[in-house]
Amino acid sequence: DAGVTQSPTHLIKTRGQQVTLRCSPKSGHDTVSWYQQALGQGPQFIFQYYEEEERQRGNFPDRFSGHQFPNYSSELNVNALLLGDSALYLCASSLGVIEQYFGPGTRLTVT
Amino acid sequence: KQEVTQIPAALSVPEGENLVLNCSFTDSAIYNLQWFRQDPGKGLTSLLLIQSSQREQTSGRLNASLDKSSGRSTLYIAASQPGDSATYLCAVKLQETSGSRLTFGEGTQLTVNP
Repeated sequence: DAGVTQSPTHLIKTRGQQVTLRCSPKSGHDTVSWYQQALGQGPQFIFQYYEEEERQRGNFPDRFSGHQFPNYSSELNVNALLLGDSALYLCASSLGVIEQYFGPGTRLTVT
Repeated sequence: KQEVTQIPAALSVPEGENLVLNCSFTDSAIYNLQWFRQDPGKGLTSLLLIQSSQREQTSGRLNASLDKSSGRSTLYIAASQPGDSATYLCAVKLQETSGSRLTFGEGTQLTVNP
């Protein structure tokens, strides 16, 4: 049983560009959450998707948007990249509100 | 707003020592609390999950306790090994009408020296 998978593993972008990160949830899970983890800090909640709708959102600007597909996979889009967006982006999946399982993350570097 | 604090920020111990990591949270209306392990540059591995109605959970050499009324949890690691070296994060989920966001502490970086 594959766990949560994320792509790409690493990504380097230039300020002002746009980026799309992808996540496939653990088999049987219907809820996907995204977190941003800056170096040396704990993860910060970005948003959560359930039934293709954004169910919860953290304190992130509208430059951060997402989508969930009918197969429960999800994308995180970030527009107008800033240097401060450099971080490890983590995806987590769960069945409803039960325990969340995390993927390996995507390391985004903005130069 | 829920805030989660972890003490100490870093800990270095000799192999074989028993140790305790601390986590505190400001809003006691939690649904559950999870302890995670994170190796450098990697994702999170769930170690233990404690429901709000529970007092503790055990897995192998790990034991996590929860005192909801005082807003505290501890992770006890017995007979530490060099392979235990990692960052340990605690996260809480509030009792909310919908959604399951986790609020994380900043972690405790553990080094176990051979």
